[in-house]
Amino acid sequence: AQRVTQPEKLLSVFKGAPVELKCNYSYSGSPELFWYVQYSRQRLQLLLRHISRESIKGFTADLNKGETSFHLKKPFAQEEDSAMYYCALTVTGNQFYFGTGTSLTVIP
Amino acid sequence: GAGVSQTPSNKVTEKGKYVELRCDPISGHTALYWYRQSLGQGPEFLIYFQGTGAADDSGLPNDRFFAVRPEGSVSTLKIQRTERGDSAVYLCASSSGLVLGEEQFFGPGTRLTVL
Repeated sequence: AQRVTQPEKLLSVFKGAPVELKCNYSYSGSPELFWYVQYSRQRLQLLLRHISRESIKGFTADLNKGETSFHLKKPFAQEEDSAMYYCALTVTGNQFYFGTGTSLTVIP
Repeated sequence: GAGVSQTPSNKVTEKGKYVELRCDPISGHTALYWYRQSLGQGPEFLIYFQGTGAADDSGLPNDRFFAVRPEGSVSTLKIQRTERGDSAVYLCASSSGLVLGEEQFFGPGTRLTVL
């Protein structure tokens, strides 16, 4: 079965420091990978998806098929990046599998 | 325009009761998803609609759970004989349904508490 693993439930970094949120998945084919974010008192929303190969709010994520990883990175964390981050995967577009999430706190 | 809306925002019920949770997707979105999110967990897929039909209901945990979308717009998630383990936030999301892997737009969720 497809599975998404986010090993860190909590992550704290200082403002201006680099941040990396880890995501590993188990699927042997070619899934579509996403990062969703939930800011305090807001809805879950798309941050970025690997097929777009875009950078949103300074975040990037590279799909590494050899390591089956899709880690989210930002070179300089900002206080407004504090939020809950979920990695997600789909194969068919029908079912989406989400990780358990990482709560990021950026310390001023 | 208006986003995805869900009603009620909170629902408290007693064990064994029947509940209905409603989702209003973004107008024109043909794809609609229901998820369940338990405390400390990520959203768990329940069911996916494309138009009026349930294209994939493999995530429904058992036959107490059922969902409909009779006119291809509003959807209702129905839970019979509720159990305490059904307590969770139920999320609805919609997308245009045109492209694989497109953005899903989430509603605010319904927090269900079964006493």
